[in-house]
Amino acid sequence: KAGVTQTPRYLIKTRGQQVTLSCSPISGHRSVSWYQQTPGQGLQFLFEYFSETQRNKGNFPGRFSGRQFSNSRSEMNVSTLELGDSALYLCASSLRPGEGSPLHFGNGTRLTVT
Amino acid sequence: QKEVEQDPGPLSVPEGAIVSLNCTYSNSAFQYFMWYRQYSRKGPELLMYTYSSGNKEDGRFTAQVDKSSKYISLFIRDSQPSDSATYLCAMSAGGNQFYFGTGTSLTVIP
Repeated sequence: KAGVTQTPRYLIKTRGQQVTLSCSPISGHRSVSWYQQTPGQGLQFLFEYFSETQRNKGNFPGRFSGRQFSNSRSEMNVSTLELGDSALYLCASSLRPGEGSPLHFGNGTRLTVT
Repeated sequence: QKEVEQDPGPLSVPEGAIVSLNCTYSNSAFQYFMWYRQYSRKGPELLMYTYSSGNKEDGRFTAQVDKSSKYISLFIRDSQPSDSATYLCAMSAGGNQFYFGTGTSLTVIP
């Protein structure tokens, strides 16, 4: 069974630009979550989607947004990029929300903002 | 105070040693506990998943949860150089929002 697939693996962008990251969950998984990972802060929750609806959102500014499609694939968008947005962005899928259904992560998109 | 505290290390042990990794937490509502292993330039890989208190063993790995002390541990027996990675603890109260430790960097020296 294929794991969580994230594209692209690496991105270099300039301040002020916007970026879209893509995630394909494990087949059959309907819940998709996004996390930002930085050396200083560790993994921080961005948002979670189930059945094309955002169920939870972390403490990030509105520049960070996402969506989920009917096939459970998800995208996240960051607008007006700042230097501090440089991080590894991880997508994780799970069978269903709630009940602590464990997260399965992709290998992430490494975003560098210059 | 952070929801989850984890000693960042780094931790360096000789091959064959027993490794103990630990996390403490403050939210008594947490009931699902996970350990992930993350290699450089890779995403976290689920190692162990436990519910409530108790022990769970899987090969060389043992996860322990002590809810009364708000303390979880991961033990690695007969550690191998391939175990060199960052280990992350994670926990949830049952929703789909998980709280992660900052990770402990482990190096197993041949």
